[in-house]
Amino acid sequence: AQSVTQLGSHVSVSEGALVLLRCNYSSSVPPYLFWYVQYPNQGLQLLLKYTSAATLVKGINGFEAEFKKSETSFHLTKPSAHMSDAAEYFCAVTPSGGSYIPTFGRGTSLIVHP
Amino acid sequence: DTGVSQDPRHKITKRGQNVTFRCDPISEHNRLYWYRQTLGQGPEFLTYFQNEAQLEKSRLLSDRFSAERPKGSFSTLEIQRTEQGDSAMYLCASSSVDRGDEKLFFGSGTQLSVL
Repeated sequence: AQSVTQLGSHVSVSEGALVLLRCNYSSSVPPYLFWYVQYPNQGLQLLLKYTSAATLVKGINGFEAEFKKSETSFHLTKPSAHMSDAAEYFCAVTPSGGSYIPTFGRGTSLIVHP
Repeated sequence: DTGVSQDPRHKITKRGQNVTFRCDPISEHNRLYWYRQTLGQGPEFLTYFQNEAQLEKSRLLSDRFSAERPKGSFSTLEIQRTEQGDSAMYLCASSSVDRGDEKLFFGSGTQLSVL
């Protein structure tokens, strides 16, 4: 069984500041890891994914995430926040075997102040 | 590629009524998922189809819930005898291949309110 923990239901940053959204996972087999973003009144869309090719993954809109097996973490970062980054962010894990059903974290709401 | 579409966007119903939602996945996507999302929570898996076969159902899916995907195209999710606890956003997603590293394409969801 797999699970995802996102620390902090809300993260507030100033425009131009570093964004750090935390995600820890547990999985009985090596997982695939994803970050999705949800803007108001829209469906979730993929930001980036880890598939074992490289531990540092770059995504859209300047976001990146680093897979750390020893810490079972996949934290999302962006060097400089923009007002348009305000949204809900979800970390998800899919096992590398079995039925490939993604399990999502509870989400972190990113608030960006001018 | 017109994306995943869900209908209706909003549904208000009285307790005890039946409701049905529809999802049209991206054409040619063989996997279709239903998730439920409540306020402050992430999407919770309900069920998924590979083509027309319903391969897995969550324990969250009581016997009042039924899903179909005839002919492996669109899908419907029906809730019978709705309860206030069924109020949630129902999300549909699809993917093109049977691999764990494949991303999901989500619709905008159907917001259900049970009064």
